[in-house]
Amino acid sequence: GDSVTQMEGPVTLSEEAFLTINCTYTATGYPSLFWYVQYPGEGLQLLLKATKADDKGSNKGFEATYRKETTSFHLEKGSVQVSDSAVYFCALDPGTGNQFYFGTGTSLTVIP
Amino acid sequence: NAGVTQTPKFRILKIGQSMTLQCTQDMNHNYMYWYRQDPGMGLKLIYYSVGAGITDKGEVPNGYNVSRSTTEDFPLRLELAAPSQTSVYFCASTPRPADYGYTFGSGTRLTVV
Repeated sequence: GDSVTQMEGPVTLSEEAFLTINCTYTATGYPSLFWYVQYPGEGLQLLLKATKADDKGSNKGFEATYRKETTSFHLEKGSVQVSDSAVYFCALDPGTGNQFYFGTGTSLTVIP
Repeated sequence: NAGVTQTPKFRILKIGQSMTLQCTQDMNHNYMYWYRQDPGMGLKLIYYSVGAGITDKGEVPNGYNVSRSTTEDFPLRLELAAPSQTSVYFCASTPRPADYGYTFGSGTRLTVV
């Protein structure tokens, strides 16, 4: 079935460090892929998305490329800030309209 | 534009009590969803709706019920609360999942004691 596997955390980085959070997926069709961010005490917010292979989603300095050959959608940012501290979720929409499949989340803490 | 509004934000229930978690959206989205979030487990789908009058079960529907009488509202009912229902509950909506993703509410933190 459809699923998402996300790298486990927590991840702690110094400010201005490079960030990669790995996400791989399993899907029978042609899913859309998403990254969501959750700040403490809040709901999830859409960070970026990609709807087909080779698409690159980007927002607020974050990027992720939909790679069908490796079934991956890794999140990257070149220089993290303290304000990026949050939990990041990778998600897959299989296209049925029924539900998304979410990874277990990766907690990121950025220290000054 | 309020987006997705959930009430209450926090609630403590005793075992066996019932309650309704409210969710309303003002974006005229057809698709609405209820997820629960447990630590280290990601989000699990409880129920979803693709339009007014239509609801269906997700992965973990036992102990819950929903209705969708209007486009705007999608309440989640807990009957006979159990400690296993202690969780954070999120409502979400979207006009088209694949193209827009979800808009989430801010969540309801429920503790059953």
